[in-house]
Amino acid sequence: SYELTQPPSVSVSPGQTARITCSGDALPKQFAYWYQQKPGQAPVLVIYKDSERPSGIPERFSGSSSGTTVTLTISGVQAEDEADYYCQSADSSGTYVFGTGTKVTVL
Amino acid sequence: EVQLVESGGGLVQPGGSLRLSCAASGFTFSSYWMHWVRQAPGKGLVWVSRINSDGSSTTYADSVKGRFTISRDNAKNTLYLQMNSLRAEDTAVYYCARRNDILTAPDYWGQGILVTVSS
Repeated sequence: SYELTQPPSVSVSPGQTARITCSGDALPKQFAYWYQQKPGQAPVLVIYKDSERPSGIPERFSGSSSGTTVTLTISGVQAEDEADYYCQSADSSGTYVFGTGTKVTVL
Repeated sequence: EVQLVESGGGLVQPGGSLRLSCAASGFTFSSYWMHWVRQAPGKGLVWVSRINSDGSSTTYADSVKGRFTISRDNAKNTLYLQMNSLRAEDTAVYYCARRNDILTAPDYWGQGILVTVSS
C-alpha cells in the first residue's frame, strides 16, 4: 500500500525555522495536505493543495513541493507550534493516506 | 457554527460489532463528502473511509475493507460507520470529518470517540 514517510521528530528554538519533509512516490501527481494536532485535540488543516493556507492559519506556515517530497515550513516558530504534524495525500484509486507523523518540539 | 459530534463508541469484544454515528450541524450536510479517520492510542492518524455527498460512492482503507461500512442519512444529518468482525488493532479514537470542496481536504473534525476492542 501507498506510504508517506516523515521524520519522527524535529526540534527547533523559538524564532527559528522548522522544516518537515514528507516523501511519497505519488506526490508528483497528487496534492499534499498538512495537519497540526495537539495532545487531546482533533487535527487542524494548516496547508492544502501543497502550498495553500486556509483562512485563519498564520502566515508563518507555508508548504512547498519538489518531486516526490513535500515540505511544511514553519518560520519564526512559536511555543504554541509545538505539536504533531501529519502530511496527507491520496493514491490513484482515491484512497487517502496519512504520513507517519512528525513531533515538533520547541526548545 | 459547524459541529460534528461522534457517538456510539465503547468497549467491545474481539469479533463483535459496533456502529458509530456522527451528528452534523451548522452546515448543509447533504452537500459534503465525509470521512472517518482513526488514531490508535499514542499512534498516528489513519484514514479509514469516505463517502460522497449522496452516499452513492464509498472508499475504504485495505485494513477495514469487507468489515466496515460507511453510510449516511442526509435527512437526519448523520454519518455512520458500521464496524463488524472487530479486532484488537481496531482500538482507536475515531474521528468523523467534513471534506471542504474548495480546499479538497477535511476542514472540520469531530472531537473523536474511543473504541476499545478487548476481551
